[in-house]
Amino acid sequence: DAKTTQPTSMDCAEGRAANLPCNHSTISGNEYVYWYRQIHSQGPQYIIHGLKNNETNEMASLIITEDRKSSTLILPHATLRDTAVYYCIVRVDGATNKLIFGTGTLLAVQP
Amino acid sequence: GAGVSQSPSNKVTEKGKDVELRCDPISGHTALYWYRQSLGQGLEFLIYFQGNSAPDKSGLPSDRFSAERTGGSVSTLTIQRTQQEDSAVYLCASSLRPLSSGNTIYFGEGSWLTVV
Repeated sequence: DAKTTQPTSMDCAEGRAANLPCNHSTISGNEYVYWYRQIHSQGPQYIIHGLKNNETNEMASLIITEDRKSSTLILPHATLRDTAVYYCIVRVDGATNKLIFGTGTLLAVQP
Repeated sequence: GAGVSQSPSNKVTEKGKDVELRCDPISGHTALYWYRQSLGQGLEFLIYFQGNSAPDKSGLPSDRFSAERTGGSVSTLTIQRTQQEDSAVYLCASSLRPLSSGNTIYFGEGSWLTVV
């Protein structure tokens, strides 16, 4: 199973871009990178996912390195409501199709 | 509804009692997942249903835990003879198709279970 490594916590100033890194050096060619976040006491919220190319949606941008061994989630203008635990997940290949969540990064947006 | 719906949102039960937790996935979603999250911990995969295929039960922690999905839609997670260590939030999620197609899963808000 491809595993991910994320910093335990990060701070970001309100209004600035938050750049959350993730290492997934054992990723295989057909495994997607997913990002979710979990705000306290809520269910996880889907943010974005990608395979090879960079992706952007209304919430964030996902930058995947050319060798696919790492990625960065970018929140362009962080707000206090973006304070949450952010999970980087590489989909487990095979028949089970399940997502395995690690411990994530606690992003604290400071006023 | 537009999202994954779970009930009850909160449940307090006595040790030794059985509990049932219900999940209504997003309409048309063929895949359904159950996870649990103990206080301050990460998400723990429990079970996965995909269409009419045999479910992946590899995450169920003991034989006190079971789940079924009737008619390919609603799912019920049952915990028999509850123990205090079963206290957690139980999260249900669904996806339109299997993740191998590059789909994503959407979570409900969870059922908070407290065993006293």
